[in-house]
Amino acid sequence: SAVISQKPSRDICQRGTSLTIQCQVDSQVTMMFWYRQQPGQSLTLIATANQGSEATYESGFVIDKFPISRPNLTFSTLTVSNMSPEDSSIYLCSVGWGAGEQYFGPGTRLTVT
Amino acid sequence: GQQLNQSPQSMFIQEGEDVSMNCTSSSIFNTWLWYKQEPGEGPVLLIALYKAGELTSNGRLTAQFGITRKDSFLNISASIPSDVGIYFCAGLGGTSYGKLTFGQGTILTVHP
Repeated sequence: SAVISQKPSRDICQRGTSLTIQCQVDSQVTMMFWYRQQPGQSLTLIATANQGSEATYESGFVIDKFPISRPNLTFSTLTVSNMSPEDSSIYLCSVGWGAGEQYFGPGTRLTVT
Repeated sequence: GQQLNQSPQSMFIQEGEDVSMNCTSSSIFNTWLWYKQEPGEGPVLLIALYKAGELTSNGRLTAQFGITRKDSFLNISASIPSDVGIYFCAGLGGTSYGKLTFGQGTILTVHP
């Protein structure tokens, strides 16, 4: 397993601003992912964060809205850009080592007013 | 795309009762994972299943990987109040390396 931390744990932001969320892992991992969990809903994959290259986005998510960085094997950031109230969600990073177990961070609770 | 149907959506049970929930899919999965999420937390991995027919236990929890590779179930025996939370199944398929597909979740409430 892995110990995963996310910053900030929660934030309240104004419409039109951007927020960058950090994900830090205590050991090197092969794969890092970013998920969104809207209120009362299940988890939806936003993108796979690729180390040293551009992230791979799922249908419905674009780089301009959710730019992602992954400079090394233990760290990644997700930015939520030009926010609107519809972006109010929990944003979660997860890590894994292949086609198997994944472990999640505690999440970042975002409210956009 | 791949979808998982998880049922039931919610359960209200008395402490000490057994619980069963399941996930089904029209697609084959190579790995099934079961998570529990409590309020204000991220999902915590409970059990991972890697082979069709595999039956795995973790304390009072037992999960099985269906023979057809299109379903999985999770049983909780002798429930206790701290079992309260949302349980999610998740599948990893051969065509989507590393990408989890989640079920809709089962909300479990345990009355003391």
